[in-house]
Amino acid sequence: EDKVVQSPLSLVVHEGDTVTLNCSYEVTNFRSLLWYKQEKKAPTFLFMLTSSGIEKKSGRLSSILDKKELFSILNITATQTGDSAVYLCAVVFGNEKLTFGTGTRLTIIP
Amino acid sequence: ETGVTQTPRHLVMGMTNKKSLKCEQHLGHNAMYWYKQSAKKPLELMFVYNFKEQTENNSVPSRFSPECPNSSHLFLHLHTLQPEDSALYLCASSPQFSGANVLTFGAGSRLTVL
Repeated sequence: EDKVVQSPLSLVVHEGDTVTLNCSYEVTNFRSLLWYKQEKKAPTFLFMLTSSGIEKKSGRLSSILDKKELFSILNITATQTGDSAVYLCAVVFGNEKLTFGTGTRLTIIP
Repeated sequence: ETGVTQTPRHLVMGMTNKKSLKCEQHLGHNAMYWYKQSAKKPLELMFVYNFKEQTENNSVPSRFSPECPNSSHLFLHLHTLQPEDSALYLCASSPQFSGANVLTFGAGSRLTVL
């Protein structure tokens, strides 16, 4: 059965800290992996990763995919209170559908 | 606003009521989706419409009935729901139904079934 597992489930850090969020997967015929940020209601797109070892970066956020070990990490440096959100990982596999993980709830304390 | 608008934002209904959720997108996309988000569970895909044709029905109970009159509008008709159907219902759209496309989500409709 196709599966996406995120860890940790929740994380509380102080402003300015660096965090690493993990996403591992077991899917058949992997196509791509996506990260979304969900602050209040609507998940908003962060990154799409298809190639192993190539880092995607946007400001203080970055992500990398390891297709051999079947995982991805999302890094956030110099965290700010606005980074508080649920971060969702989703994997696209052979039938084009997204399978989501349960998410990591990140709380940044001022 | 993301370009995908959902109404109502909140809905409370009894188990015998009939109500509908509405989704509208102004992005020119051809695929639209309904997802269910329950506490501590992953987003669950319910339905997919690609160019107005239903391409996915993820074993959803018949008390949920989707309707896609055109590529810009998607409805979810609800009747005789159960309390466990209480959840956030998210609509999304993409250029077409393909794993290569990024989904744009609406803000969701929070449904409470009493």
